Amino acid sequence: EADIYQTPRYLVIGTGKKITLECSQTMGHDKMYWYQQDPGMELHLIHYSYGVNSTEKGDLSSESTVSRIRTEHFPLTLESARPSHTSQYLCATTGVGSGYTFGSGTRLTVV
Amino acid sequence: GENVEQHPSTLSVQEGDSAVIKCTYSDSASNYFPWYKQELGKGPQLIIDIRSNVGEKKDQRIAVTLNKTAKHFSLHITETQPEDSAVYFCAASMRDYKLSFGAGTTVTVRA
Repeated sequence: EADIYQTPRYLVIGTGKKITLECSQTMGHDKMYWYQQDPGMELHLIHYSYGVNSTEKGDLSSESTVSRIRTEHFPLTLESARPSHTSQYLCATTGVGSGYTFGSGTRLTVV
Repeated sequence: GENVEQHPSTLSVQEGDSAVIKCTYSDSASNYFPWYKQELGKGPQLIIDIRSNVGEKKDQRIAVTLNKTAKHFSLHITETQPEDSAVYFCAASMRDYKLSFGAGTTVTVRA
């Protein structure tokens, strides 16, 4: 049984549309992360949060935005999707003394 | 920031043989080194981790070694099986904060 959930699993959307990728965790952890995974499988940190109302940009510049108004919820939004946003997006969380727990990911295709 | 290098990028082994993946890190302050396994269509899963106060850790067929002086750590999989085929990532961090990942190793176990 997963403790971190991502929806949708797959999304095909047209250019210019606004989209929100959902991520929720039931572990009560403060720290949450969004990674973008390219076809070569490298993981690039795009956003992270260390608690409610705390968000930071990651190492890879991204046009997406995030919010953290509840501990369990860390959605990622693209205001205007473009083909260059096509990728797999992975959400993760971590607690004190534990490693990351990843969601199953959202595979986004922008046509 | 931390920079993690991982080698090789691909590894093909005969079933029953051993597989070794090596990583180096740049920040001597890093003290947490997890390994993740990612199967097709899934998010990465933690398989083993080691902290800087330990030189080696073993869990059944999987072992990790750490050399703090040389700033490198390795994953060893013995008696490989077809279900070990996956992408493996090493990572490093300080005090359980955001992880820096290696680029990944695609392991193929030949029957």
